[in-house]
Amino acid sequence: KAGVTQTPRYLIKTRGQQVTLSCSPISGHRSVSWYQQTPGQGLQFLFEYFSETQRNKGNFPGRFSGRQFSNSRSEMNVSTLELGDSALYLCASSLASGGYEQYFGPGTRLTVT
Amino acid sequence: GESVGLHLPTLSVQEGDNSIINCAYSNSASDYFIWYKQESGKGPQFIIDIRSNMDKRQGQRVTVLLNKTVKHLSLQIAATQPGDSAVYFCAEKGENFGNEKLTFGTGTRLTIIP
Repeated sequence: KAGVTQTPRYLIKTRGQQVTLSCSPISGHRSVSWYQQTPGQGLQFLFEYFSETQRNKGNFPGRFSGRQFSNSRSEMNVSTLELGDSALYLCASSLASGGYEQYFGPGTRLTVT
Repeated sequence: GESVGLHLPTLSVQEGDNSIINCAYSNSASDYFIWYKQESGKGPQFIIDIRSNMDKRQGQRVTVLLNKTVKHLSLQIAATQPGDSAVYFCAEKGENFGNEKLTFGTGTRLTIIP
């Protein structure tokens, strides 16, 4: 079975721009969660989608948003990029909602200049 | 608020020896715990999980121990190999609806010495 895939793998943007990241979960998985990983803050939960509905949300500003499609693929959008948004963005998929047995993708490395 | 901490940021172990990575958590209501391994340039890789109604679970060369009394979690890796070198994260999950998210610890870097 193919693992979680994320595109693009690397991205460079300038401050003020917006960006959209994509995640394709493992086949059959209906939950997709997004995380931000930085050296200073570690792995932080952004939000989780299950069956196209946001089920859980972390403590990030409204500039961070997401959605999930009927095929369980998910996108994450960050508007008005700031330098501090530079990070590795990881998505994880699982069969059930709620954080159980999540499998991560390789991540998208976002650099904001 | 919830927090998950690690006792040691780095750990070096001789190849073939056993290693133990420790993790402390603060939310006594957490009902699920999970360990991940992250190698450089890769996403976290699921190792093993355990629910709060258990105190021990074994996998292939790995054992997770949960002590709810002192809110402590540990990952034991038997007969370590060079490929075990990585950063290891523990994570806990809150039990309340709307708060069912994973909170990760800061990670422990395990280095296997050949």
